[in-house]
Amino acid sequence: EAGVAQSPRYKIIEKRQSVAFWCNPISGHATLYWYQQILGQGPKLLIQFQNNGVVDDSQLPKDRFSAERLKGVDSTLKIQPAKLEDSAVYLCASSPDDPWLRTFGSGTRLTVV
Amino acid sequence: QKEVEQNSGPLSVPEGAIASLNCTYSDRGSQSFFWYRQYSGKSPELIMSIYSNGDKEDGRFTAQLNKASQYVSLLIRDSQPSDSATYLCAVNILNSGGYQKVTFGTGTKLQVIP
Repeated sequence: EAGVAQSPRYKIIEKRQSVAFWCNPISGHATLYWYQQILGQGPKLLIQFQNNGVVDDSQLPKDRFSAERLKGVDSTLKIQPAKLEDSAVYLCASSPDDPWLRTFGSGTRLTVV
Repeated sequence: QKEVEQNSGPLSVPEGAIASLNCTYSDRGSQSFFWYRQYSGKSPELIMSIYSNGDKEDGRFTAQLNKASQYVSLLIRDSQPSDSATYLCAVNILNSGGYQKVTFGTGTKLQVIP
């Protein structure tokens, strides 16, 4: 079974620039998650999709972050404009009907300078 | 009060010893509890889940849950250098829309010394 694919692996941008991350979940997984993990902290849920509908985005900074899930499969997370404090690893995860068996992708490490 | 609290460590144990990792949570309604292992520069991977009070064993790992005390722990027996990683405690919390949201602690860094 192929895992959760994410790209790019690394990204360095200047503050106020925009950036986008892509995630392709495991085939057939209905739920997709985007997490932000700042160095030394645990992952923080930014947004959770069930198929292509949003079920939780309470911690998504909506003034600068946006996310969509196309046709209930792939997803993109965008930051515009980026701030220094957005430097983190952005993890995508997916799960089947059982929400606990989530599998994480390898993540995108974002550095904002 | 943080929703999920862990001691950040590092916790250092000698090879072959028992490592004990602890976690407390604030939501009394939480029903599901998880331990993830995260190696440096890697993504978290689920190693244990527990839903009922008591102990759950899987190989060298034992998860312990006490809902009355809002406490969950992970014991690693016969610790190996390969167990050196950050261990994340995660707890499900029901969000306002009725969906389960898993909240992570900050993690405890474990160092197993050969």
